[in-house]
Amino acid sequence: RKEVEQDPGPFNVPEGATVAFNCTYSNSASQSFFWYRQDCRKEPKLLMSVYSSGNEDGRFTAQLNRASQYISLLIRDSKLSDSATYLCVVNTGFQKLVFGTGTRLLVSP
Amino acid sequence: EAGVVQSPRYKIIEKKQPVAFWCNPISGHNTLYWYLQNLGQGPELLIRYENEEAVDDSQLPKDRFSAERLKGVDSTLKIQPAELGDSAVYLCASSLRNTGELFFGEGSRLTVL
Repeated sequence: RKEVEQDPGPFNVPEGATVAFNCTYSNSASQSFFWYRQDCRKEPKLLMSVYSSGNEDGRFTAQLNRASQYISLLIRDSKLSDSATYLCVVNTGFQKLVFGTGTRLLVSP
Repeated sequence: EAGVVQSPRYKIIEKKQPVAFWCNPISGHNTLYWYLQNLGQGPELLIRYENEEAVDDSQLPKDRFSAERLKGVDSTLKIQPAELGDSAVYLCASSLRNTGELFFGEGSRLTVL
């Protein structure tokens, strides 16, 4: 089993739609969690950290479910500019950051 | 503030040739990472440095890959000899110690013919 697993997609949604991605992790001792965004042929950039209580940043909401060992990212009112690959990142301990394969999102007019 | 700088951006070589990539992290960032990213995949860690010490090189194929960060600042990743399967993007990232926020360079895209 991979340490971090994501549905690769692509998720095709129209503008204005709400879309959610999940990411599961195998190590129950994992300490911290993040979502990164990667545009085509660009480097990954931090989108948001994921806190135990859940957190929101504008149209983006991240949540953590430790019991089921998954994190989620919800995007409301999708924009064309949200089209990208969203990478789940898990700190599995001792600052070891493991990336998922990424979920590709395509937002169409 | 300057970001993470990598060079070269692109490199095309024939198999069995050597290649080297250079990375200069953000000033003050103690931790430096080298990741490999294949098309359609997430970045995979090759090596992580805390200052000049390699604290995690378990995924580095040591028969052909080597890395150094002699003064705890910039770093070099070398492949010798390169194989066809090494074609990928090599990403360097840096961070302050004990944070999960990595700052990536633009990457070095390697094509091995």
